[in-house]
Amino acid sequence: SQKIEQNSEALNIQEGKTATLTCNYTNYSPAYLQWYRQDPGRGPVFLLLIRENEKEKRKERLKVTFDTTLKQSLFHITASQPADSATYLCALVPGGSYIPTFGRGTSLIVHP
Amino acid sequence: DVKVTQSSRYLVKRTGEKVFLECVQDMDHENMFWYRQDPGLGLRLIYFSYDVKMKEKGDIPEGYSVSREKKERFSLILESASTNQTSMYLCASSLVAGESNEQFFGPGTRLTVL
Repeated sequence: SQKIEQNSEALNIQEGKTATLTCNYTNYSPAYLQWYRQDPGRGPVFLLLIRENEKEKRKERLKVTFDTTLKQSLFHITASQPADSATYLCALVPGGSYIPTFGRGTSLIVHP
Repeated sequence: DVKVTQSSRYLVKRTGEKVFLECVQDMDHENMFWYRQDPGLGLRLIYFSYDVKMKEKGDIPEGYSVSREKKERFSLILESASTNQTSMYLCASSLVAGESNEQFFGPGTRLTVL
């Protein structure tokens, strides 16, 4: 069956360090992958998209990689700040569709 | 900026009541979605709509129905609320052929069924 896995344990890091979050998937052939940020009690907010033919995408302090051989995406936040503390969701969208399937998210806590 | 609004942030209902959750988006998006989000289970798609009066079942449609009479409005209906429908309900919208097909989410409605 199709499965999207994100670390269920919270990631705790110190301010200024690089945070790396992982999204693994099985039995899936996504055309592209999205990353969202969700703050407590609020709806997710779109951050970045990476397509299957792209290896890496950057936006300010954010970097996403996509390895279709490993079936994995990595989401990096460089020079992390306490304001980056949130839950980060990955979402996979198959070819010919516009409907994402979301992972369960990983909580990031950046300590000052 | 796209804005997706939901009729209530918090709602408390009794078992057996009929519950209406309303969602409105102001950017002329074709697609609209209803999700529920539960701890440990993530976001699960209940229903979606790609046009007025069109609807498709998502992964967990049982116990729910939807209505889309106008492009900007998508309603989720719990015909007879049950305690296992206590959850955070999130509405989202997106363009049919947007560059990123990103979903724009509302703030959510936390529904408690007693």
